[in-house]
Amino acid sequence: GQNIDQPTEMTATEGAIVQINCTYQTSGFNGLFWYQQHAGEAPTFLSYNVLDGLEEKGRFSSFLSRSKGYSYLLLKELQMKDSASYLCAVRVRSNDYKLSFGAGTTVTVRA
Amino acid sequence: DTGVSQDPRHKITKRGQNVTFRCDPISEHNRLYWYRQTLGQGPEFLTYFQNEAQLEKSRLLSDRFSAERPKGSFSTLEIQRTEQGDSAMYLCASTFGSNTGELFFGEGSRLTVL
Repeated sequence: GQNIDQPTEMTATEGAIVQINCTYQTSGFNGLFWYQQHAGEAPTFLSYNVLDGLEEKGRFSSFLSRSKGYSYLLLKELQMKDSASYLCAVRVRSNDYKLSFGAGTTVTVRA
Repeated sequence: DTGVSQDPRHKITKRGQNVTFRCDPISEHNRLYWYRQTLGQGPEFLTYFQNEAQLEKSRLLSDRFSAERPKGSFSTLEIQRTEQGDSAMYLCASTFGSNTGELFFGEGSRLTVL
């Protein structure tokens, strides 16, 4: 099976920065995805990394190191609406687009 | 484009009953996926279709589970003789296989087996 690890919970203050780490050991690698999921809602796509380095998209950035099997999602200028679960997922094969997910990190933003 | 839609959103049933969920993917998406998610966990892969062909089934998908996508458009997931352990959110996702290939998820069908 695929092994994708991320912390269970994180808490941060409004306006602050939070970094969610994800480590993976998978049988193959064809990209790493981050999704946001509010309680009771669908996961929504945040970012995609397939090459090493940092991808920035507004307040959210995602980093990948393939040699270390490591990624992080950086959330800047936290807002209350950022309180959600953040899912790290790996696409193992290139031909089927199937994702293997970690258990998710619940981020709570406090005023 | 109204996104991926799933029906019903909530289903409460008694153990031993059969249930069926429907997923309508985004219209131009040829790949469709079913996942199951329990509280505090990430989505677990169940099965996927490319057009009408079911190309992979997880070992999680016991003989009581069956999925179809008869015309390569909507899909159904049926659970026969439900058990309490089947209680979960059943998520459907679709993609057309772009360079990024992100999956677009529906809001899920929540099953409670009493």
